[in-house]
Amino acid sequence: DAGVIQSPRHEVTEMGQEVTLRCKPISGHNSLFWYRQTMMRGLELLIYFNNNVPIDDSGMPEDRFSAKMPNASFSTLKIQPSEPRDSAVYFCASSGGQAYNSPLHFGNGTRLTVT
Amino acid sequence: AQSVTQPDIHITVSEGASLELRCNYSYGATPYLFWYVQSPGQGLQLLLKYFSGDTLVQGIKGFEAEFKRSQSSFNLRKPSVHWSDAAEYFCAVGGGSQGNLIFGKGTKLSVKP
Repeated sequence: DAGVIQSPRHEVTEMGQEVTLRCKPISGHNSLFWYRQTMMRGLELLIYFNNNVPIDDSGMPEDRFSAKMPNASFSTLKIQPSEPRDSAVYFCASSGGQAYNSPLHFGNGTRLTVT
Repeated sequence: AQSVTQPDIHITVSEGASLELRCNYSYGATPYLFWYVQSPGQGLQLLLKYFSGDTLVQGIKGFEAEFKRSQSSFNLRKPSVHWSDAAEYFCAVGGGSQGNLIFGKGTKLSVKP
């Protein structure tokens, strides 16, 4: 079991550029989550997929953020255009059941810096 | 609405000393409760969970937590802390309308020799 795999580990980009973060969940898991972690706001849920379908995207900050899950083994989080306030660590997590009663397995995160 | 409060932002304990990290939650029904640990540069790892039954639950790395409904608490404990326990600890509650987990802001644990 390779765990949840995120890429890239670090991303530095200039304001206005498009950023795409990638996630491969654990095989067999049917739920996938994108979280953002900052010192000020802690860990925030951005979006939650179940069986590749977005269930709750109320945490997506604004239209600049979009997420897709084209199949059970891949998801992307895109920011276009990026802004300095988007700088954070972005985590992907997967689980084998519903969010509220199944342990989440986290990737090691992508540290995004927007200058 | 459900919420989680971890009152202590940063705690320092001596190696070998006991540890208790506090977690209080707000939820209308019996919640699903979790503790996660995050080492620097890594994602969160599950330490233990409570769904029902025995209110004292055992987890990995020698940690345990006790669910106290009357106090709406789920405090994490360890009888003897090791230097490798230095990390950030997050309490989480599940069962919301969307079925999502809500995380506390975390408690950073430092261990002094």
